[in-house]
Amino acid sequence: EDKVVQSPLSLVVHEGDTVTLNCSYEVTNFRSLLWYKQEKKAPTFLFMLTSSGIEKKSGRLSSILDKKELFSILNITATQTGDSAVYLCAVVVTGAQKLVFGQGTRLTINP
Amino acid sequence: DSGVTQTPKHLITATGQRVTLRCSPRSGDLSVYWYQQSLDQGLQFLIQYYNGEERAKGNILERFSAQQFPDLHSELNLSSLELGDSALYFCASSVDPLQETQYFGPGTRLLVL
Repeated sequence: EDKVVQSPLSLVVHEGDTVTLNCSYEVTNFRSLLWYKQEKKAPTFLFMLTSSGIEKKSGRLSSILDKKELFSILNITATQTGDSAVYLCAVVVTGAQKLVFGQGTRLTINP
Repeated sequence: DSGVTQTPKHLITATGQRVTLRCSPRSGDLSVYWYQQSLDQGLQFLIQYYNGEERAKGNILERFSAQQFPDLHSELNLSSLELGDSALYFCASSVDPLQETQYFGPGTRLLVL
């Protein structure tokens, strides 16, 4: 069964801290890995990763994929209260043509 | 604002009833996806349509069905509703059929009493 596991499930840090969110996967036919941020409403797209070792960066957020060890990390530096959200990791599985989501990491940034 | 619209925003109904959720994709997007998000199950992929044809199926119950119309809007029909169907239902769209870089609508919150 295709599976995506995120850790930690919940994380509370102070503003200014750096955080690392983890996503590991076991799927039959990996195509790509996606990161989303979900605040009160719909998920918003952050990154799509398809190749190992290539870091994607957007401001204070960055992500990297390791296809050998089957995981990805999402880093957020100099966190701000606006980074508080649930961060979702999802893997696109070809063949079955589906998107498998992890359970999410709830990140809370305290001022 | 992702450009994906969903109606209604909230829906309260009773067990055994049938409801229809509507989604309009972003302009130019041919693929529409439906997801269910509940507190205990997280985000679950239900079904995908591409240019009017069913493309992929996830954890969609037999009581649920969907279609995509020629104008590319999509409807998700939920019938014989049960309490456990209460959830947030998201629609997402993308240009390509390969499920990457999806843009999510605001969701429809369904409460079954």
